[in-house]
Amino acid sequence: DTGVSQDPRHKITKRGQNVTFRCDPISEHNRLYWYRQTLGQGPEFLTYFQNEAQLEKSRLLSDRFSAERPKGSFSTLEIQRTEQGDSAMYLCASSPATPLDRNTYGYTFGSGTRLTVV
Amino acid sequence: DQQVKQNSPSLSVQEGRISILNCDYTNSMFDYFLWYKKYPAEGPTFLISISSIKDKNEDGRFTVFLNKSAKHLSLHIVPSQPGDSAVYFCAANSGGYQKVTFGTGTKLQVIP
Repeated sequence: DTGVSQDPRHKITKRGQNVTFRCDPISEHNRLYWYRQTLGQGPEFLTYFQNEAQLEKSRLLSDRFSAERPKGSFSTLEIQRTEQGDSAMYLCASSPATPLDRNTYGYTFGSGTRLTVV
Repeated sequence: DQQVKQNSPSLSVQEGRISILNCDYTNSMFDYFLWYKKYPAEGPTFLISISSIKDKNEDGRFTVFLNKSAKHLSLHIVPSQPGDSAVYFCAANSGGYQKVTFGTGTKLQVIP
């Protein structure tokens, strides 16, 4: 297993355009999380899925943001009508639903997608 | 409302010495605490964790201490190495694998 994969690594878009990011979690993990990180801040929770069900959404996830995980495997995060304030690193993480071994915490992050809105 | 706080944005330590990174939290529902390490242009990497039923957890050069009454935890790195230079995030959650709440990070620089 190669860990959590995110694509693309970098995205530059013009304000007002739509963008979509993809996350492929660790195959045996049934939970998938999206976070956003801006400069000087820690990652902020956006939403998470168990299999294909979206279990929680942050108030940070405005109606321009939508996340899907249609078959309980990979997930997409779409931002419509991008604004300059959307510029950030978008991080995906995955985990099992229940801890298998808390000493080797299975909450694993991908390398992120850096979005720049110009 | 910043539920996890790291009040020191940066820390410089000489190689071989101890690095101590501090973290405070406000949410008494948190029962699991984690430290992540992050290099530029990479995602956070899990370092060490501690359950609220413990007050210390050790893994090699890394030790995390938890003081529940003070709602404070710290990460000790002994001895510090130049490769430890990174941003360290304190994080917490409650109730198993759900969302994790992160602090704002402390940038550690280990000087050779």
